[in-house]
Amino acid sequence: QKEVEQNSGPLSVPEGAIASLNCTYSDRGSQSFFWYRQYSGKSPELIMFIYSNGDKEDGRFTAQLNKASQYVSLLIRDSQPSDSATYLCAAQGGKLIFGQGTELSVKP
Amino acid sequence: EAGVAQSPRYKIIEKRQSVAFWCNPISGHATLYWYQQILGQGPKLLIQFQNNGVVDDSQLPKDRFSAERLKGVDSTLKIQPAKLEDSAVYLCASSPPVGGLTEAFFGQGTRLTVV
Repeated sequence: QKEVEQNSGPLSVPEGAIASLNCTYSDRGSQSFFWYRQYSGKSPELIMFIYSNGDKEDGRFTAQLNKASQYVSLLIRDSQPSDSATYLCAAQGGKLIFGQGTELSVKP
Repeated sequence: EAGVAQSPRYKIIEKRQSVAFWCNPISGHATLYWYQQILGQGPKLLIQFQNNGVVDDSQLPKDRFSAERLKGVDSTLKIQPAKLEDSAVYLCASSPPVGGLTEAFFGQGTRLTVV
């Protein structure tokens, strides 16, 4: 079992739609969760972090955490072509572990 | 604030040769990570340092890879001898001391090609 697993892509959505990205983790000791965005040929950059159960909103982005289900998600509202990238979920307990990434394509 | 610095940006070597990568983290960041990212995959943690000490190196192929963090600041990652499957981007990241926001900031990476 992978420590952090993301829904397989690629995910394609039309411009203006909601993109939903999902992630599960196996280490119940994980305390912090991060969503990074990675454009092709670039390094990952942080877009959201969440520590507590529930939802956290930041502009068009909403992160959701359910520790009982060991599940993290990211919703992107009003998706734009510039959101097209690979989204990486990461979980941190003692170490920072990334999932395999989900490629998102937003079509104009 | 200066970001995480890595060098070189690109490196091409033949198999069985050795190579070293250098990383200078953000000033004051206690935690330093080395990740290997193969094309189309997520970053794989090779080693995580907390100051001078190793937090985790369970995924580091110790027969060929080594890493050190000098005086809790700069770090080097070495591969000797390199194999074709080591072709990847090697990412260094750093994060602040535990207790605050532990967001990891990434350097630009070193793209290694083994031929």
